[in-house]
Amino acid sequence: DADVTQTPRNRITKTGKRIMLECSQTKGHDRMYWYRQDPGLGLRLIYYSFDVKDINKGEISDGYSVSRQAQAKFSLSLESAIPNQTALYFCATAEGSSSYEQYFGPGTRLTVT
Amino acid sequence: AQSVTQLGSHVSVSEGALVLLRCNYSSSVPPYLFWYVQYPNQGLQLLLKYTTGATLVKGINGFEAEFKKSETSFHLTKPSAHMSDAAEYFCAVSDRLIQGAQKLVFGQGTRLTINP
Repeated sequence: DADVTQTPRNRITKTGKRIMLECSQTKGHDRMYWYRQDPGLGLRLIYYSFDVKDINKGEISDGYSVSRQAQAKFSLSLESAIPNQTALYFCATAEGSSSYEQYFGPGTRLTVT
Repeated sequence: AQSVTQLGSHVSVSEGALVLLRCNYSSSVPPYLFWYVQYPNQGLQLLLKYTTGATLVKGINGFEAEFKKSETSFHLTKPSAHMSDAAEYFCAVSDRLIQGAQKLVFGQGTRLTINP
């Protein structure tokens, strides 16, 4: 089984809808991250979390919110989806003492129409 | 703030030829540097990393990269390309967050195509 899983893998939604992307990990890592990938822009950090009680904004957090329900689960929500949030979203995890190395999930492809 | 520039969004080489993917970074502190690979419809996978010590680092699948501080570069090479190397490659530099945690700053990515 994969160490970092994301659901759904693909999602099409309409403008204005609320949508949640979920990430689960079995690696026992305390740090979790959400990135979005856009062609030609690489990956950009949306939110990150050091542990259940610690959540921080990344460089492009506007329009997004997150919830760390447990050490193993980190969800990303789009409160009111808009077309320019169409992207590939990745969850990643890292272990605290060596958190420069991150492990990525398979990604969620989100399309907002 | 740290940044990464990958020179060339697309690189095409023949099977058996040298692969060279270029990465330059900017950092005000000694960096940690990474190369990740993304195969079609998959997440990113770590190829190799430089933290400290030897500046020539070897990774998986025959790839290697050399940290050159004077040139602020971390180019990725492989002596002989294989069809299975076709993927997108990302260079990344670590950026220090509060409380000692770190996040990755990614380059734009380079798509590598291998011609038979």
